[in-house]
Formats: sequence, C-alpha cells, structure tokens
Amino acid sequence: NAGVMQNPRHLVRRRGQEARLRCSPMKGHSHVYWYRQLPEEGLKFMVYLQKENIIDESGMPKERFSAEFPKEGPSILRIQQVVRGDSAAYFCASSATGFFNEQFFGPGTRLTVL
Amino acid sequence: SQQGEEDPQALSIQEGENATMNCSYKTSINNLQWYRQNSGRGLVHLILIRSNEREKHSGRLRVTLDTSKKSSSLLITASRAADTASYFCATDPDSGGGADGLTFGKGTHLIIQP
Repeated sequence: NAGVMQNPRHLVRRRGQEARLRCSPMKGHSHVYWYRQLPEEGLKFMVYLQKENIIDESGMPKERFSAEFPKEGPSILRIQQVVRGDSAAYFCASSATGFFNEQFFGPGTRLTVL
Repeated sequence: SQQGEEDPQALSIQEGENATMNCSYKTSINNLQWYRQNSGRGLVHLILIRSNEREKHSGRLRVTLDTSKKSSSLLITASRAADTASYFCATDPDSGGGADGLTFGKGTHLIIQP
C-alpha cells in the first residue's frame, strides 16, 4: 500500500517560470492538503481539497498560486511566475476523511527559485 | 503568531536517556498530533490525542494533553540514535467547520548522542 507520493522531489525554477507540484494521495483517501515549509519555519497550511472541490484555501496566497484535485489523477499545486520567496518545501498530505483523522504526509517537493 | 510552539527548540541528550518536548497552543482544538521529520525527509505521524483525552501511549512514546493550560508534552523513553530528528506538534483547531488543515510549530530538533 503505497503512501502519499509527490513529484518531483526537487524542482529548480528561474524567476518568472511556472512550478507544478504533484501529489497522489494514499489509496482510498479523497482529502488532500498542501503545506509549505519555509526555511527555519514550521509548516503552514495552504489549501484543503476534496475530489474536484476546493474546501478551504485560506492559507494560500491570493495571487500566482492555485490548486486542483481532478476527478482523475493527482492533485496539482501550481505556482505561476515564481519568485525567490517561493523557495520552500511543499508537503502534501491526505486523509480518509476531513475531520478528526490523521493526515499522512508525502516526502515533499523542494522548490528552489534561482 | 504560531498556534503550536514547541519547547525547547533544540535538545541534545545521551542515548538511553528520556527526552521530553513541550508544545503550547493558543486556541481551542479538536485534537493535537505529533510528527517526526528526519532531515530531508517527509513527516511521519507519531500519535494523535483528542481534546477529551489526557494521556496516550504508543511504544516508547507518551503524550499528555492539558487543555486547561493549552499544552502538550511528548516523552520518548530510552532514546536511541535513530530518534534523532525534528519533532513537530500540530493542532487541529476547533474552528466550527472551518479550515481542516493542521497548524504546525517550528519544531524541536532532537539529537541523541551515542
């Protein structure tokens, strides 16, 4: 039973380019969460999605960032026109249900913006 | 400000000793979770304690929760070199159906000296 999978593990982009981060939840999980960990800081919640729906995006910057979780395929976190401040580790987690359940985390994608 | 804040920020002990880490938070919670993160790796869920529980055990781990003080502690007994990692507490806030993302502190970096 594979855990949460994220790819790529490392992503390097130049300023102004787009970054696409993918997350495949655990089998049977339909709830996906994205977190960002800036250097020397704790993880911060960005967005919570269920299949085809964004449930809560209160932690996601209003501009340049978007997330989706289509009916088929992985969840995608998309960052347009990346800036140096976007350099961070982005973690995806999934859970079986949205409330009171433990979240299983993927290995993260480390984004470096040059 | 951070919802969950771990204390101490760093802890170094000898193998075989017990390690205690504390976490304080600010708002009402549904549950509190502890995670471990080895360097460069994703988070691993350790234990979840619900707001109506006071103590929970899992192997060498013991977690306590004091909702009146809004604090939790993680005790690792008989520490091993493999326990060297960063430990995060994460709170699932009781936001009346709002954001379902966890809020993490900056973590305690634990080093076990052989």
